[in-house]
Amino acid sequence: GQSLEQPSEVTAVEGAIVQINCTYQTSGFYGLSWYQQHDGGAPTFLSYNALDGLEETGRFSSFLSRSDSYGYLLLQELQMKDSASYFCAVKAAGNKLTFGGGTRVLVKP
Amino acid sequence: NAGVMQNPRHLVRRRGQEARLRCSPMKGHSHVYWYRQLPEEGLKFMVYLQKENIIDESGMPKERFSAEFPKEGPSILRIQQVVRGDSAAYFCASSPGQGTGEQYFGPGTRLTVT
Repeated sequence: GQSLEQPSEVTAVEGAIVQINCTYQTSGFYGLSWYQQHDGGAPTFLSYNALDGLEETGRFSSFLSRSDSYGYLLLQELQMKDSASYFCAVKAAGNKLTFGGGTRVLVKP
Repeated sequence: NAGVMQNPRHLVRRRGQEARLRCSPMKGHSHVYWYRQLPEEGLKFMVYLQKENIIDESGMPKERFSAEFPKEGPSILRIQQVVRGDSAAYFCASSPGQGTGEQYFGPGTRLTVT
């Protein structure tokens, strides 16, 4: 089976940088995804890493190290609207995603 | 291009009743997934379907739960004889194929069992 570990909560101020780490144990790993979910809302896709390295999309970047079974999501220039839960998810054999428990990010003014 | 649609958005059922949750994937998407989310928790995979086929139902409880994605119409997640523990948010997602870890989620159905 699969298991993912990520911190439960992170607090930071506007303009700061936050890194959310995700470690995983899985069989048949294909890639690591990140999703954002605001309270009461639906998860929205942020990024997907199938290969080692850093992927940058605007203020958000995602990193993967397959040899270390580790990835992170980097949130830069934090804004109040970034307050949300962030989930890492492993794509293994087949098409289903296995999600971590989520990291609640609280941005303070 | 309309996104993933789910209805109803909120559903209240008494213990022992049946719940039917509907999901229409994004246009052009033939892969549908159902997930369940309890408050303050991550999403738990339930089932993966393509048109008229169940591909992976490893996350579905063995009893009372069933899912279908007919040739015509939306995907349906059916819960028979609901119990209080079934209260959760049920999200449907769709994707065009198997290429990436990108899935598009609907707004969810919040099921409350009284």
